[in-house]
Amino acid sequence: EIVMTQSPATLSVSPGERATLSCRASQSVSSNLAWYQQIPGQAPRLLIYGASTRATGIPARFSGSGSGTEFTLTISGLQSEDFAVYYCQQYNNWPPLTFGGGTKVEI
Amino acid sequence: EVQVVESGGALVQPGRSLRLSCAASGFTFDDYAMHWVRQAPGKGLEWVSGISWNSGSIGYADSVKGRFTISRDNAKNSLHLQMDNLRAEDTALYYCAKCSSYSYGDFDYWGQGTLVTVSS
Repeated sequence: EIVMTQSPATLSVSPGERATLSCRASQSVSSNLAWYQQIPGQAPRLLIYGASTRATGIPARFSGSGSGTEFTLTISGLQSEDFAVYYCQQYNNWPPLTFGGGTKVEI
Repeated sequence: EVQVVESGGALVQPGRSLRLSCAASGFTFDDYAMHWVRQAPGKGLEWVSGISWNSGSIGYADSVKGRFTISRDNAKNSLHLQMDNLRAEDTALYYCAKCSSYSYGDFDYWGQGTLVTVSS
């Protein structure tokens, strides 16, 4: 099983600042990596797939990078609606598909 | 508009069974894999099971293997999860998720979830 590790667990930032979230895989997942945003009380929403491609309707302030075992989600110019929990997920191998433990972005 | 809507969640006793369903619309259902992802109260996301477009490829998390069975009915655009021998640790919000590919991949559409509570 591929273990996904996210850091930090909690990230405190101010509106307008940049947030950088990390995700590490226990073995290479190539570029088969997705990022999701979950606002409390809502279902997860796909932000990034293929490590760096924004999903439909996702603002340009969200960007993803990395390949292999190290990945980054960057949110530039944080807006109030961006404060949420973010998860990475690998889909290079299944079963199982695996998620990271999440990073909470808070004010 | 793509929609996936889960149903069937309930309060059940340990050891009992429950069947979850997911109704899909707004896309060609039999072109895509479908998956179940769960979230225990206050916890992160856990992939549970997935099924390819033609039911030819099926996978389960180790935590549910042998107890849960996933199936789909392409004629009715529906996905199901038969959950047997339920345990307290199965308590969670269960999401139905559309995969972006025919087998496995990222999840581009999610339902709002159906709550399963396992307790005596």
